[in-house]
Amino acid sequence: AQSVAQPEDQVNVAEGNPLTVKCTYSVSGNPYLFWYVQYPNRGLQFLLKYITGDNLVKGSYGFEAEFNKSQTSFHLKKPSALVSDSALYFCAVMNSGGYQKVTFGTGTKLQVIP
Amino acid sequence: GAGVSQSPRYKVAKRGQDVALRCDPISGHVSLFWYQQALGQGPEFLTYFQNEAQLDKSGLPSDRFFAERPEGSVSTLKIQRTQQEDSAVYLCASSGPGLAGAGEQYFGPGTRLTVT
Repeated sequence: AQSVAQPEDQVNVAEGNPLTVKCTYSVSGNPYLFWYVQYPNRGLQFLLKYITGDNLVKGSYGFEAEFNKSQTSFHLKKPSALVSDSALYFCAVMNSGGYQKVTFGTGTKLQVIP
Repeated sequence: GAGVSQSPRYKVAKRGQDVALRCDPISGHVSLFWYQQALGQGPEFLTYFQNEAQLDKSGLPSDRFFAERPEGSVSTLKIQRTQQEDSAVYLCASSGPGLAGAGEQYFGPGTRLTVT
């Protein structure tokens, strides 16, 4: 079985400050890891993914995430938050050895305060 | 089309009615997924197709839920004898083949089902 934990229901950060949204995972074998974003009244959008290689992956809108195998974490980061980053963020995991079933976390609401 | 489309966007059904939700994936995407998303929650996996083959239906909550993709493109999720607990947003997603497409799913806008 595979699972994802997002320990924070909500993260508040001031505009211009760095942001971190936390994610830990559990999967047998090597993980593929993903972040998706859901803006209000819009569908889920793919943000970035880790498949293999460099532990720091860069994605859309200036976001990046760091894969840490020993801590089984894949935290989402951005150096300087924008008000427009306010949205619901989902971490997801897939077993690299299996088919493409992706398991999503429960989501973290990011609120960037002007 | 440019993206995944779903219809209808909103559906209100009386308890006991049957509903059918349609998904048009991105052209050429062999993998198609259905998810159920409750308010404020993450998407919960329902079922997965590779072309026309339904490879995993372990997430379907009951035998009232049925999905098909007969020609490997458009898919329909059918819910028979709807119950109030079926009220949710139903999301469809598709992805391309191989490592490049692995897990990178493109989601439709969803169908919000309300059972009264």
